[in-house]
Amino acid sequence: NAGVTQTPKFRILKIGQSMTLQCTQDMNHNYMYWYRQDPGMGLKLIYYSVGAGITDKGEVPNGYNVSRSTTEDFPLRLELAAPSQTSVYFCASSPGQWSGANVLTFGAGSRLTVL
Amino acid sequence: AQKVTQAQTEISVVEKEDVTLDCVYETRDTTYYLFWYKQPPSGELVFLIRRNSFDEQNEISGRYSWNFQKSTSSFNFTITASQVVDSAVYFCALKVTGANSKLTFGKGITLSVRP
Repeated sequence: NAGVTQTPKFRILKIGQSMTLQCTQDMNHNYMYWYRQDPGMGLKLIYYSVGAGITDKGEVPNGYNVSRSTTEDFPLRLELAAPSQTSVYFCASSPGQWSGANVLTFGAGSRLTVL
Repeated sequence: AQKVTQAQTEISVVEKEDVTLDCVYETRDTTYYLFWYKQPPSGELVFLIRRNSFDEQNEISGRYSWNFQKSTSSFNFTITASQVVDSAVYFCALKVTGANSKLTFGKGITLSVRP
C-alpha cells in the first residue's frame, strides 16, 4: 500500500516558468489537500478537494491551481513561478472531513526552489 | 477562527532528559480534535496522536505522554528519557467538526537531542 505519492521530490525552476506537482493516493480517500511548509511557519493550506470534480481554496491559494478529475489524483500547478513560491509542498489525504476525527496521511514532500 | 500556538521554537536536550513540548489552542467550538505530528530530518510527517475534546484522559504510549487540559486550552507532549531518534520538528494541530473546517497547524517545535 503506497499511501500518498508525490512527484517530483526536488525541482529547481526559473522565475516565470510553470510546473505541476503530482499527487496520487491509493487509499480511496475522498479528501485531498495541498500544504506548503516554510521555515518556522508551520504548514499552510493551499487548496483542498472534497471529491472528484470539487476543489476549494485554502489560506494561501494565490499563484496556484488545482484539479481533481479522479479520486486518486490531485495535481498542483504553479503558473509563472516566483521566488516566494520556494517552499516544501506536501500533499495529504483523508477519508472524510466532517467529524474532524480523520487523520491526514501525508506524502513525502516536494522541495521546490525558484531562482 | 482557530489558532494553535507553539511558543517554544527550538529545544535542545541531552539524551535521557525528559522534555515537554507545549501546545495552546484557541477555538469557540465545543467539539474539536487535537493532533500531534512528528517531522524527522527525512522530512515526512508522521501522525502521533489524536484526542477529541470530550476526552481529557492523559495518554501514554511508551516514552511518549500527552496531557490534555481544557481548562487551560493546552495539549502538551512529554518525551521521557529522550533519545537521539526523537530529534525532529513536532507540530500540534487543531480541527473542529464541520464540512469546511480545516486542520490548523502550529508553527512547530524543533527538538534536538544530543548524545
